[in-house]
Amino acid sequence: GNSVTQMEGPVTLSEEAFLTINCTYTATGYPSLFWYVQYPGEGLQLLLKATKADDKGSNKGFEATYRKETTSFHLEKGSVQVSDSAVYFCALSDFNNAGNMLTFGGGTRLMVKP
Amino acid sequence: DAGVIQSPRHEVTEMGQEVTLRCKPISGHDYLFWYRQTMMRGLELLIYFNNNVPIDDSGMPEDRFSAKMPNASFSTLKIQPSEPRDSAVYFCASSPHGTSKGELFFGEGSRLTVL
Repeated sequence: GNSVTQMEGPVTLSEEAFLTINCTYTATGYPSLFWYVQYPGEGLQLLLKATKADDKGSNKGFEATYRKETTSFHLEKGSVQVSDSAVYFCALSDFNNAGNMLTFGGGTRLMVKP
Repeated sequence: DAGVIQSPRHEVTEMGQEVTLRCKPISGHDYLFWYRQTMMRGLELLIYFNNNVPIDDSGMPEDRFSAKMPNASFSTLKIQPSEPRDSAVYFCASSPHGTSKGELFFGEGSRLTVL
């Protein structure tokens, strides 16, 4: 079956530090990959996505590249801000094999200190 | 433009009581999903609907859980009788295209505490 594995948090950084949150996946077919973000007290929001190998998704200074050879989709940001403090979820969609099942990783909490 | 609206935001109840959670999806979205979030299990898909029809309910924990979508603008998730292990945040999400295009739009969640 499909699965997503994320690095466990919390990740604590100082403002302007470089961020990497690792994500690897297993899938039967050729999935689409996503990062969602959950701010305190809110629902999840789509942050970025990539639908095929070597695609790079980007939004709000965050980037992730779909690496088929390493089955990874690591999230990066060059300079984090306090407002980036949230829980980040990696997810995959393997529609041809699993229909409308969006498989989420366990989430990684990011805390950015001023 | 209103997002996905869930109610109640918080519910505290006693074991054995019936709980009903409500969701209003974004107008025009054909897909509606119910997720449960806990520290132990993370995010779990409970059930999803397409055009008001339940498509996959394999994630519904047991017969105590039921979900309905009587029309395109309303869905309910009911737990009867509730148990302490049902304590979680329940999210409703809607989507115009399903997960093939990726984006689900989530509500703010209903935090359920069963004592």
